[in-house]
Parts: sequence; structure tokens; C-alpha cells
Amino acid sequence: DVKVTQSSRYLVKRTGEKVFLECVQDMDHENMFWYRQDPGLGLRLIYFSYDVKMKEKGDIPEGYSVSREKKERFSLILESASTNQTSMYLCAARDTVIYEAFFGQGTRLTVV
Amino acid sequence: GNSVTQMEGPVTLSEEAFLTINCTYTATGYPSLFWYVQYPGEGLQLLLKATKADDKGSNKGFEATYRKETTSFHLEKGSVQVSDSAVYFCALILSASKIIFGSGTRLSIRP
Repeated sequence: DVKVTQSSRYLVKRTGEKVFLECVQDMDHENMFWYRQDPGLGLRLIYFSYDVKMKEKGDIPEGYSVSREKKERFSLILESASTNQTSMYLCAARDTVIYEAFFGQGTRLTVV
Repeated sequence: GNSVTQMEGPVTLSEEAFLTINCTYTATGYPSLFWYVQYPGEGLQLLLKATKADDKGSNKGFEATYRKETTSFHLEKGSVQVSDSAVYFCALILSASKIIFGSGTRLSIRP
């Protein structure tokens, strides 16, 4: 099975800090995704990447950016963290043939 | 546009009860359909999938059949256990596209 690893399970950051969330996959999957999950809102797509250095905005990209310098790593960047970015963040990787997506364990970010 | 609608929760059942969580979809083309499960404090895990019409996905006693005529992919289990308590997400994936999730259904099983 594909393994997707997120660098932290829990993070607490201060308002205005620049925050990096890291995600690494151990297979050669082209597609990677960042979602945020909030009660009552389900999963909302922030950004996805369909190959190295290629990215596309999702439904809620404001306040976020991403980086994909290597195929296995997809980073989510909060340029200036705000309290409304307190959330659970989920990374996923997907093969473009099988279509099945594999998720990391999630990072629960609290911005104070 | 493409979308997934699943029944709102929370759903509370007694152990050994029969479970149905409804999921319907709207899609252009021929999507693959998935059910994911999220246990408390965890990420999403694939529960089952179906890639074409009339396929039945099954895993851990759960089943879902891809019904093109009703655009549905309802999740069923004949006898639930306390350990099935989780949030369940229906999802569709179209080729060269992002994943579209339903809003999730929280399931609680009473002993």
C-alpha cells in the first residue's frame, strides 16, 4: 500500500507566523492534494498538484500556497497564519490510472 | 457540475443493526466511486470502491453497488459493531480530475 506521511500530527502556531505543513508519499504518484476539514463543512480542496512544479488552485486557496519541488513531497504553506485557519489538514496522493487516493493521518493545526 | 450528496448525520444505531448510508452523485462522464472511513483523530482510509456500473465493492462486511440508472452508491452493512463508529465519506473521481467528496456522515453505534 501507498504510504502518505504528514510531518506533524498536532501543531500550535501564533497569528502571523509562516507555517509549513509537509507531506511525503512513498510511491511514484503524480497527483497530490491538500484538503482542510472543518465540522459541518466536510473536506474542502485547497490546492492540488498533478506533477512536479505543477499546481492548481482548489476551492479555497486564499491564504495558502504550495510547493512541489520533488515528486514525493508536497508542502502547504500558510503565508501568515490566522485563527480562521485553525483546522484539520489532510494530504492525499493518487495514481492517475487506478484513481484510488491515499491519505495521510492528518495535521491538526491550532492558530492562537 | 460534478457533486456528491450523502445523507446527513449523525446516525445512531444499536449494535447488530442494519446500516444504510445513502449516497447519490451527479457527474459528467463515468466516474469511479469510493467510500472512505475516518476513525476519530485519524486520516481517511479507503473502505471500498467500484469503477464501473453494476460493480459491487465490499470490505469488512460493508457493501456498495454502483447504480448508474439511479446515480447512487449506497453503503450497507448487515450487522454493525461498536468499532464501526466513524465518519463515512462518499467520493467520486473522474479521470484527470480532483476528488469530489460528500459532506460525510457520522455513525455512532451503541453497545
